[in-house]
Amino acid sequence: GAVVSQHPSRVICKSGTSVKIECRSLDFQATTMFWYRQFPKKSLMLMATSNEGSKATYEQGVEKDKFLINHASLTLSTLTVTSAHPEDSSFYICSARSRTEPGQPQHFGDGTRLSIL
Amino acid sequence: RKEVEQDPGPFNVPEGATVAFNCTYSNSASQSFFWYRQDCRKEPKLLMSVYSSGNEDGRFTAQLNRASQYISLLIRDSKLSDSATYLCVVNGAGGTSYGKLTFGQGTILTVHP
Repeated sequence: GAVVSQHPSRVICKSGTSVKIECRSLDFQATTMFWYRQFPKKSLMLMATSNEGSKATYEQGVEKDKFLINHASLTLSTLTVTSAHPEDSSFYICSARSRTEPGQPQHFGDGTRLSIL
Repeated sequence: RKEVEQDPGPFNVPEGATVAFNCTYSNSASQSFFWYRQDCRKEPKLLMSVYSSGNEDGRFTAQLNRASQYISLLIRDSKLSDSATYLCVVNGAGGTSYGKLTFGQGTILTVHP
């Protein structure tokens, strides 16, 4: 089946560091990828929709200058958490929707657990 | 009102029990519906899509009532491996929200021996 790869799976870094997370669709093309964040014991919350070749669409309350999204190809989207602080510590998950099967369920990456010290 | 609402549980049931989860959604124009399961500290994995006609996959049965904006999941003959958080997921209406998944807060299930 369709596979979405997310890297890295775990990041621990100091406050003020910028962290880049990659999301790749391995065997399908994804014009749209989605970035979610999940805090402990909470549900996934959509942060932004990443569109290949155009600007990302951010959900209300998500700072676009803080969470930079780049979707330069049909198989790769990146999320950069700039100047990360402890409150940014969370589980970040991407998902991708197939270009040829947009109505099908999305496929999720393994997630990235970010810990800011 | 939350866009997707679930009873958070937790549900603690013995092996072999039948357990049912409910979910309601607020956007009547929502297009598609899913149940995902999420194990602790892992990504969500698709369990099954939900159709108005109802659908079954082994021990799992999902139902959708569009008039009531209500979704259900029934698990029969529970196994220890069914222990997880079950997420009710709704795909929004067309236009800018097409493809946007909205997650319920999840229902925690623990199956014990």
